[in-house]
Amino acid sequence: QSALTQPASVSGSPGQSITISCTGTSSDVGGYNYVSWYQQHPGKVPKLMIYDVSNRPSGVSNRFSGSKSGNTASLTISGLQAEDEADYYCSSYTSNITLGVFGTGTKVTVL
Amino acid sequence: QVQLVESGGGVVQPGRSLRLSCAASRFTFRSYAMHWVRQAPGKGLEWVAVISFDGNNKYYADSVKGRFTISRDNSKNTLYLQMNSLRAEDTAMYYCARDMAATGYRSFDYWGQGTLVTVSS
Repeated sequence: QSALTQPASVSGSPGQSITISCTGTSSDVGGYNYVSWYQQHPGKVPKLMIYDVSNRPSGVSNRFSGSKSGNTASLTISGLQAEDEADYYCSSYTSNITLGVFGTGTKVTVL
Repeated sequence: QVQLVESGGGVVQPGRSLRLSCAASRFTFRSYAMHWVRQAPGKGLEWVAVISFDGNNKYYADSVKGRFTISRDNSKNTLYLQMNSLRAEDTAMYYCARDMAATGYRSFDYWGQGTLVTVSS
């Protein structure tokens, strides 16, 4: 099972919006609505930001939103803030025997 | 607040074995699927294995299949990962994580702090 494909880095200025893509196949991202997104600051534990493609857990800012089109899921951060600078990972259920897979990760830089 | 505490990490020689534990508290452990996720130094997250709420269903990443075994003891609220035939590439921080669902692979809503495994001669 290959990792889902994410851009290595995305950057934006404070207040701007950025979008991180997560590309898979019809066996994972495209076939099921079990896509989730995680934020990880350096040296910290990953934090769930989005589940089931577009749902936000309690306590997560509404500046974070998720969507999906075909085999590509996306995480959008609006009103970018310095504290959003972190690594972001997508993850998806897969119908392959391994059951699940993470994305390659994206480093978000706030300019 | 949900608590997950991993233990059992350390330095081990290639080819040897190690067992990780994850003690769960402050939630109904027997109702949730549980995962192990690892992260090699400076690298991304890699899903390792999942076990269903009742222990009857287990799935593994190709990279560990046949070498690692996930298990749980619901009477002790504890998750385990038995790691055999360890390789240098297994060096990583190992996290246990709770799934939102009882079975399958949905999302990881709570994570432990991790335990570091270093495979080196």
